[in-house]
Amino acid sequence: GAVVSQHPSWVICKSGTSVKIECRSLDFQATTMFWYRQFPKQSLMLMATSNEGSKATYEQGVEKDKFLINHASLTLSTLTVTSAHPEDSSFYICSASGGRTRTDTQYFGPGTRLTVL
Amino acid sequence: AQRVTQPEKLLSVFKGAPVELKCNYSYSGSPELFWYVQYSRQRLQLLLRHISRESIKGFTADLNKGETSFHLKKPFAQEEDSAMYYCALLSGGYNKLIFGAGTRLAVHP
Repeated sequence: GAVVSQHPSWVICKSGTSVKIECRSLDFQATTMFWYRQFPKQSLMLMATSNEGSKATYEQGVEKDKFLINHASLTLSTLTVTSAHPEDSSFYICSASGGRTRTDTQYFGPGTRLTVL
Repeated sequence: AQRVTQPEKLLSVFKGAPVELKCNYSYSGSPELFWYVQYSRQRLQLLLRHISRESIKGFTADLNKGETSFHLKKPFAQEEDSAMYYCALLSGGYNKLIFGAGTRLAVHP
């Protein structure tokens, strides 16, 4: 089946530093990747959608300069949290879709827990 | 506004009892709905989608456009069904999913 990995699985950083999270599709080409954020005991909130080779589309209220997304290849997307602050601490989850139709299944990564001190 | 509502945060049942996890949606147009499940310490995974009209692990869900609902049902719950269940609505041109708040199902022996 389709597998999506994320690296790292958890990261702790100091306030003001930048953190990069990788999302890879291991056995399929992901034309579209999605980044979500999940606070404790809350649902997943979509942050942005990225298509390979083009700029990401950010959801309302998500700062594009704060959360940099790069989807440079069909198997890799990265999310960089720039100048991280404690309020950025959260669980970040990516998903990937390999098809070109609206109903193509999204496959989810295991998530990355970010803690900013 | 496009929205998914799961009114129950927790549903607690005994093994063998019937289960119904509620999901209501708000969407103008023809909705496409999904149920995702997250078992303890595992990633989110697709359980079923309404267009497939299939039964997975004994679960079924029927889209009721009149009541704008997509409730998930299983006649006899098993302990291994204990997990977090999310209802999701497909929205937009980029395969965008809108998730409900989730319902934790706890099946007791």
